[in-house]
Amino acid sequence: AQTVTQSQPEMSVQEAETVTLSCTYDTSESDYYLFWYKQPPSRQMILVIRQEAYKQQNATENRFSVNFQKAAKSFSLKISDSQLGDAAMYFCAYRSFLNYGGATNKLIFGTGTLLAVQP
Amino acid sequence: EAGVVQSPRYKIIEKKQPVAFWCNPISGHNTLYWYLQNLGQGPELLIRYENEEAVDDSQLPKDRFSAERLKGVDSTLKIQPAELGDSAVYLCASSLGVASTDTQYFGPGTRLTVL
Repeated sequence: AQTVTQSQPEMSVQEAETVTLSCTYDTSESDYYLFWYKQPPSRQMILVIRQEAYKQQNATENRFSVNFQKAAKSFSLKISDSQLGDAAMYFCAYRSFLNYGGATNKLIFGTGTLLAVQP
Repeated sequence: EAGVVQSPRYKIIEKKQPVAFWCNPISGHNTLYWYLQNLGQGPELLIRYENEEAVDDSQLPKDRFSAERLKGVDSTLKIQPAELGDSAVYLCASSLGVASTDTQYFGPGTRLTVL
């Protein structure tokens, strides 16, 4: 079974600074997707960025980028030029690439990292 | 475009009472998911629907939980009777289908408190 681990329960960053959130995962599959979701206090989960495991190039979305290390099973999120609106709970998630026998396309989440942005 | 709509946003009930949550997915999305999010945890899948068919309900506690998605659009998740341990946030999500490229979009959730 796949697992996702986020070892930083809380992080803090100064406005305009850069912060990196860590995520490791365990899987025996070779193809899969990885995601970072943001959950603000209003609780609506929003997709921040996604990474296909077969792509070597790290995904980037504006101020958000990932460092995907497939061999190490590591998937960190870097937020550049942090803004007050970035304050939220961030979840790392895994999903199988295909519906392997007995598997589903469900998202498997980590326990989250609560990011505070200091003005 | 409207997102995933859930109601109510908050619900407080006494234990042993029944409760129901409603979800309206994004228009055109065939796949609907119900997730359970306990305090301080990530969401966990309860059930997934492909149109009106429940195709993955292995994590749904069927002794007290039930769900339906009549006509393949709106969905209702019910708990009867509720227990103290059911206090959590219940999230609904939808996606176009189950293709690898399909993104899951989440609703704001229903926060349930069982007293």
